[in-house]
Amino acid sequence: GAVVSQHPSRVICKSGTSVKIECRSLDFQATTMFWYRQFPKQSLMLMATSNEGSKATYEQGVEKDKFLINHASLTLSTLTVTSAHPEDSSFYICSARETGGNIQYFGAGTRLSVL
Amino acid sequence: QQPVQSPQAVILREGEDAVINCSSSKALYSVHWYRQKHGEAPVFLMILLKGGEQKGHDKISASFNEKKQQSSLYLTASQLSYSGTYFCGTTPPDKLIFGTGTRLQVFP
Repeated sequence: GAVVSQHPSRVICKSGTSVKIECRSLDFQATTMFWYRQFPKQSLMLMATSNEGSKATYEQGVEKDKFLINHASLTLSTLTVTSAHPEDSSFYICSARETGGNIQYFGAGTRLSVL
Repeated sequence: QQPVQSPQAVILREGEDAVINCSSSKALYSVHWYRQKHGEAPVFLMILLKGGEQKGHDKISASFNEKKQQSSLYLTASQLSYSGTYFCGTTPPDKLIFGTGTRLQVFP
């Protein structure tokens, strides 16, 4: 149990385009999902907390107009990187916490490369 | 604020032991430990919910000192499969903030 599916696993796009990343909890309901970004050889940095049916809470320094988060159901959250630029190239990882639970389960991550 | 882990890197021979420390400047509600292999998602190891709690499975265990805002992960009789980067995660509360990471390499 406790499987989180993240799609796509890898995406290459041109500068200025938008990219959508999906995060699904497959066998549990998740009121809260989280989006992290990880640069090479660095730790995971929390970008935002996504709550089903409400606006996401962004960490300091994360542009909410650039990283659009939607959490429309208890099993799906999406992250859209708008007008992507090369500096947005990174490893994006989502996690989901089962409603009422303490543990966060992670998706396999999405490697974004912006040319 | 991000928890600080020490050491930053550890090199072991199979069978050797290691301790990884995690220290926070803020009060901790719980401590999570994860292991991440290169290019993969972090894998949950264990969670400690109370100060003084100790947990373990196989040869990996952890302790949580709530008063000192610290946690330690103990790896005994290391195996090749233990290689990876270990992260502690703290909840200040309600969101998981990852520590700086400790890279562990186990050689035959």
